[in-house]
Amino acid sequence: NAGVTQTPKFRVLKTGQSMTLLCAQDMNHEYMYWYRQDPGMGLRLIHYSVGEGTTAKGEVPDGYNVSRLKKQNFLLGLESAAPSQTSVYFCASSYAGNTIYFGEGSWLTVV
Amino acid sequence: SQQGEEDPQALSIQEGENATMNCSYKTSINNLQWYRQNSGRGLVHLILIRSNEREKHSGRLRVTLDTSKKSSSLLITASRAADTASYFCASITGGFKTIFGAGTRLFVKA
Repeated sequence: NAGVTQTPKFRVLKTGQSMTLLCAQDMNHEYMYWYRQDPGMGLRLIHYSVGEGTTAKGEVPDGYNVSRLKKQNFLLGLESAAPSQTSVYFCASSYAGNTIYFGEGSWLTVV
Repeated sequence: SQQGEEDPQALSIQEGENATMNCSYKTSINNLQWYRQNSGRGLVHLILIRSNEREKHSGRLRVTLDTSKKSSSLLITASRAADTASYFCASITGGFKTIFGAGTRLFVKA
């Protein structure tokens, strides 16, 4: 049972480049989330999904896009990376309103 | 602004002492959860308390919830060096949107 798996774990991007972070969960959870965590701060919700084919904006959605084409996968895209998007990104999943299971994080640096 | 705010931001105690962390939130919730994060790792769920509950226990953890004050507290009794971590509260709204606070960094000295 892998839980929540994120790839890649580390990535360095140049300003203006694009990339996609992949998240997969094997717990058949309806809800999936993408958060970012900056030094000394808590997690800020970027986007979330309440089921396959649905997405919704969180607290800090600008500069990011997401897709949930399959129930087990939630993709986070950066179309044109900016230094302000340097952060640690966490994917998570849950049954509605219950315990949230997190991935181990993806460290992204934009230079 | 974030839904949840933890207090204090940092806490340093001796092994064996109790550690208390507080959390405030802004809107009505379905439940409130506490998580722990070790440095460089993902968050791990500790305990969930529903909006109709006032207190909950799990091992050395005790969580209280006061919906009239929109606040919660996490008590860790008889702390150990291994409890050193950041602790976050997460408030879950009726729409199941989950918002985390900025966390309390706990350091337990052996």
